[in-house]
Amino acid sequence: GAVVSQHPSRVICKSGTSVKIECRSLDFQATTMFWYRQFPKQSLMLMATSNEGSKATYEQGVEKDKFLINHASLTLSTLTVTSAHPEDSSFYICSAPDRGINRAQETQYFGPGTRLLVL
Amino acid sequence: KQEVTQIPAALSVPEGENLVLNCSFTDSAIYNLQWFRQDPGKGLTSLLLIQSSQREQTSGRLNASLDKSSGRSTLYIAASQPGDSATYLCAGPLNAGNNRKLIWGLGTSLAVNP
Repeated sequence: GAVVSQHPSRVICKSGTSVKIECRSLDFQATTMFWYRQFPKQSLMLMATSNEGSKATYEQGVEKDKFLINHASLTLSTLTVTSAHPEDSSFYICSAPDRGINRAQETQYFGPGTRLLVL
Repeated sequence: KQEVTQIPAALSVPEGENLVLNCSFTDSAIYNLQWFRQDPGKGLTSLLLIQSSQREQTSGRLNASLDKSSGRSTLYIAASQPGDSATYLCAGPLNAGNNRKLIWGLGTSLAVNP
């Protein structure tokens, strides 16, 4: 199957700093990517939809100025957690859909996740 | 509006048992449904994708079925092994225009005991 990478896999930062997480589709182009966060033993929570060439679409309750998303190319989306606080500590996962021939064949592929710890 | 639910929430079985995990969805116009596996602290691995025109898909010991009329999908795991222990998630598309985001069930946490 297709491969989606994330970098870094783990990051520890001080409160108040900004952290950038990259999501890349390695062998297919993705005009759309999705960013999720997951707290321990909880389900995925969709944060935003990253759109190549246009603004990201944020889910209700997600601060767009806090979580900056840039879809720089057809294979790269970045999530920047600005002025990070300890409550931002979480597991962040991206996904990218590979459409195939038609929409019914569209398969979501996930990155391995980034564990963020804000001290 | 698409809603996805999964039962049971948790399952613990001895090694070797055949298992059925259930997923139900509210919008029968679904164009596909995907099953994923998540190991603790890891990302998600796509297991099977069933297109709306298909009734089932098989991969190794896994078989997933889709019944659009009843709004149900099942994931069948044959001869379960301890390595199958993980959280299994199903997800269906929102079915709203060009919005491609997935609607998720809360998952079934599976423990296969040796």
